[in-house]
Amino acid sequence: GAGVSQTPSNKVTEKGKYVELRCDPISGHTALYWYRQSLGQGPEFLIYFQGTGAADDSGLPNDRFFAVRPEGSVSTLKIQRTERGDSAVYLCASSRGTGQTQYFGPGTRLLVL
Amino acid sequence: AQKITQTQPGMFVQEKEAVTLDCTYDTSDPSYGLFWYKQPSSGEMIFLIYQGSYDQQNATEGRYSLNFQKARKSANLVISASQLGDSAMYFCAMREASSGNTPLVFGKGTRLSVIA
Repeated sequence: GAGVSQTPSNKVTEKGKYVELRCDPISGHTALYWYRQSLGQGPEFLIYFQGTGAADDSGLPNDRFFAVRPEGSVSTLKIQRTERGDSAVYLCASSRGTGQTQYFGPGTRLLVL
Repeated sequence: AQKITQTQPGMFVQEKEAVTLDCTYDTSDPSYGLFWYKQPSSGEMIFLIYQGSYDQQNATEGRYSLNFQKARKSANLVISASQLGDSAMYFCAMREASSGNTPLVFGKGTRLSVIA
């Protein structure tokens, strides 16, 4: 079956702009996660959804970051007033349920100029 | 304190040889899970192997095995019969029951290069 997909694969934007990153999880997976990976680092947790609700958003760095999953499937990570420090790879993962193995998408490479 | 420590920034191995990638972890939670992921240059994180804290035997998946030493808090990945396609970044990760078994905490990774 199809894996986790993420669009766009690359995004270049200017400082101060708004961006949306999309994640389409594996069909049937109820849990969805967003991570951010800076150069030379391992991924860092941002937010986790179980169904439509954000079950844990403790990793979001500040209120410029927001994520939604309105129908319990596709999720959108939204970043307002982007800063150069937001440049990173944003990874999405999904799992069959809470505590199950997480399967990752290819990521979106965000570059803020 | 780092929850996951990978002390080898880079490793080289000859094709067809075995290689061990080190991972130590720090937790006071009796219930936790340990994972290894492979990240090729394409960027996707590929799940390799899982070990639960209560599992009695070391996990194995094909050419991958996990050398789990609970008392030493280490979970080293062993890759047997290395192939050129094994060249990638490898990340060790942990989840803890106390954090809802959801967010994975990753180490900084080890870059493995397989030499022909």
